[in-house]
Amino acid sequence: DAGVIQSPRHEVTEMGQEVTLRCKPISGHDYLFWYRQTMMRGLELLIYFNNNVPIDDSGMPEDRFSAKMPNASFSTLKIQPSEPRDSAVYFCASSLVGYQPQHFGDGTRLSIL
Amino acid sequence: AQKVTQAQTEISVVEKEDVTLDCVYETRDTTYYLFWYKQPPSGELVFLIRRNSFDEQNEISGRYSWNFQKSTSSFNFTITASQVVDSAVYFCALTLNRDDKIIFGKGTRLHILP
Repeated sequence: DAGVIQSPRHEVTEMGQEVTLRCKPISGHDYLFWYRQTMMRGLELLIYFNNNVPIDDSGMPEDRFSAKMPNASFSTLKIQPSEPRDSAVYFCASSLVGYQPQHFGDGTRLSIL
Repeated sequence: AQKVTQAQTEISVVEKEDVTLDCVYETRDTTYYLFWYKQPPSGELVFLIRRNSFDEQNEISGRYSWNFQKSTSSFNFTITASQVVDSAVYFCALTLNRDDKIIFGKGTRLHILP
């Protein structure tokens, strides 16, 4: 069974540009989570979806961040406009139900210059 | 409020030594789940184990073992005869039965020296 697939693996872009991160969860998983990891703040939950519906976006840092899940097999996290402080590793994870183990993608390493 | 504390920020041991990573959690709920994840230098997060609050049996998987003690709210992880490949950041985490989110500890960075 394929795991969680994230793309791109690395992204380097200039400040002010729009960035779109993509995630394909494990088939059959009803929950999808977006995390950000930095040295300073550790692993932060940004937003999560249940059955394609956003349930909690309280971790989204500001309006420049948005996430969508148009169907059960695809989600995007968008940053517009991007800033250098958005540089981090962004992880997507999915799980069958909330308290089941979350399975993580390999992450997207984002660098905003 | 729920909380996970991994007091050991960084640990270094020599290969073949045993090492224990501490995890202390806080919750008032009676039904909850505890996890350990491993993040090797390559960066991915790998699920290691899940325990529910009603199962205090210790778990052993090869060189890895986990000790869950509700009396001390701890879920410690021991690596026996450590190997260089065990070098990673290890995260302890907690989720409640009534919740969907996992609360992660800050992680313990483990260095296994050859």
